[in-house]
Amino acid sequence: TQLLEQSPQFLSIQEGENLTVYCNSSSVFSSLQWYRQEPGEGPVLLVTVVTGGEVKKLKRLTFQFGDARKDSSLHITAAQPGDTGLYLCAGANSPGGADGLTFGKGTHLIIQP
Amino acid sequence: NAGVMQNPRHLVRRRGQEARLRCSPMKGHSHVYWYRQLPEEGLKFMVYLQKENIIDESGMPKERFSAEFPKEGPSILRIQQVVRGDSAAYFCASSGLAKNIQYFGAGTRLSVL
Repeated sequence: TQLLEQSPQFLSIQEGENLTVYCNSSSVFSSLQWYRQEPGEGPVLLVTVVTGGEVKKLKRLTFQFGDARKDSSLHITAAQPGDTGLYLCAGANSPGGADGLTFGKGTHLIIQP
Repeated sequence: NAGVMQNPRHLVRRRGQEARLRCSPMKGHSHVYWYRQLPEEGLKFMVYLQKENIIDESGMPKERFSAEFPKEGPSILRIQQVVRGDSAAYFCASSGLAKNIQYFGAGTRLSVL
């Protein structure tokens, strides 16, 4: 059974600080996706990383896929209250194909004004 | 610009009743996935369907649960004789040509009394 471990589980920081959250596995994934979920809503896709070592930037968010395609990180620069939410990583097994995603339990992020 | 549409958003059932959850994929998408999210748990894959076919139901409980994606109309997740343990948020996702990129609906919150 493939597992994705996310850390930390909870993180509360002040506005303007930087943070990094992690997504780790002992298994290799063909791609990894990051989602953000707000209470009462569905996950919203932020980014997909496919190539080992890949780095993608989305404004103040930087996503990295590990060289071995087993882990990923999300770094937020100058966090804002609007970044508050549950951040989920999800791995896909089938390269270019369709299959059920394996999700981590998420990091609950709170940015205090 | 309709995304993945799920209805109802909230569903209350008594033990022993049937629950029917509907999902209309994003326009142009032919792959549908169902996930279940229990409190404090990550999303768990249940079933993957294409039009008129179940491709992977490895995450679906063997009894009481069924899913379909007919040629016309939405995908349906059906839970017969619901029990309290079925209370959860059920999410549908769809993907198109980029099969490994899944977009989620807002979910159906099922409460079993």
